[in-house]
Formats: sequence, structure tokens, C-alpha cells
Amino acid sequence: GAGVSQSPRYKVAKRGQDVALRCDPISGHVSLFWYQQALGQGPEFLTYFQNEAQLDKSGLPSDRFFAERPEGSVSTLKIQRTQQEDSAVYLCASSVTRGNGYTFGSGTRLTVV
Amino acid sequence: KQEVTQIPAALSVPEGENLVLNCSFTDSAIYNLQWFRQDPGKGLTSLLLIQSSQREQTSGRLNASLDKSSGRSTLYIAASQPGDSATYLCAVSGSARQLTFGSGTQLTVLP
Repeated sequence: GAGVSQSPRYKVAKRGQDVALRCDPISGHVSLFWYQQALGQGPEFLTYFQNEAQLDKSGLPSDRFFAERPEGSVSTLKIQRTQQEDSAVYLCASSVTRGNGYTFGSGTRLTVV
Repeated sequence: KQEVTQIPAALSVPEGENLVLNCSFTDSAIYNLQWFRQDPGKGLTSLLLIQSSQREQTSGRLNASLDKSSGRSTLYIAASQPGDSATYLCAVSGSARQLTFGSGTQLTVLP
């Protein structure tokens, strides 16, 4: 596609509910990243894929967070048993090479009530 | 661990002014630096990408400089307009592929 597409744009979850956030990167972009952005802060790194391989998941805040990219294109970030502190905007970015910079999607705003 | 700081946190200027946003980073071993714009409730729009071997990049009224040795970058906006109002984020890519972001500068340009 022309850009990085994320869905849903907004998600309200009850505490304890599981959620799944989708990212569709730009076609041909090998690298895919997930970031978490709290209100008034810069994005914080969560995890990184190169094709289908998850090469770095050091930013995932707990084992309730899980990400996959099984066919090397679309990625899903899953959060189990959501808690209020998970409320944030979740951003996805992709790149073809690091030298070309990164393109971000519009994000998913998750609110846990 | 790389840390990125942006000063000021917020800035309000009258339309037409030239302005400078500052970004500093603690580890000078970067691969590149990218400036982004974020409008309320939106994702990030890339403004300028500076490779570690470059000193500056220009796009329209925007000019970004990079001094890798001192760990600093500036974003210069000429003849500011109300449409420039947004949060501006600086991010560096280093030995790890992911970007490390500053907290941003919230810019308001008053008509």
C-alpha cells in the first residue's frame, strides 16, 4: 500500500480483556517496529521484526504483550489481560533499509477502562 | 543507553517568526537522525532524515543540522505559519535498529 496502515484507530477495552492491534506495512518493507506512546511523551520501542523473524523484543513491558509477523508482512500486537497502564497510542513503523528512514502509521489509541 | 532530550518542551511564537528547536543525544555513535511532526491524535510524519555523515538537510522552510561529535541537532523553521503548529519529535538510530525518541517540542504559531 501507499502507507503504513493500522487498525483499529481506536479501541476501548475493559480491564482484563485481550486486544489485538494490526499493522499492515508498506509493501516490500523488510523491517517492522512497534512503539508505545504515552500521553505527552515520545514513542518508546517495543519490538522489531525483520521479515518474519522477531529480532528484538526487549521493549515489551511484560509477558502479557506478544507480537507476531508470521508471513513477513502484516503484524499483530496482542495484549492479554489489559490493565489501565496499557492505555496509550500504539504506533507501527516500517522501513526498507535503515538508511531510508522509517514510515509510521497513524496509530491505534487504546483506552483501558 | 541512548537518551534524547528536546528543548524547549513547549514554544509559542507569533506568525512569521523564525525559530529553532533543539535536540541532544548522549551517544554520538548514531547511524542517522530523523525529525518528525505529530499533529494531535495523529501518527508521525517524517520531515527530514540526516545520515551520520551529513551536516544538514533542507526541505522548503525547514533546515535540520547535525553535529554528531557534540551530540546535537537543530531544526530551523523559517517564516513560521499557524499550520506549523504541532509537536516536533527528534529520533536517533544507533547500533540498535530502533529509534530512540525525545519527548518532543510542542509548537504553537499564533496568527
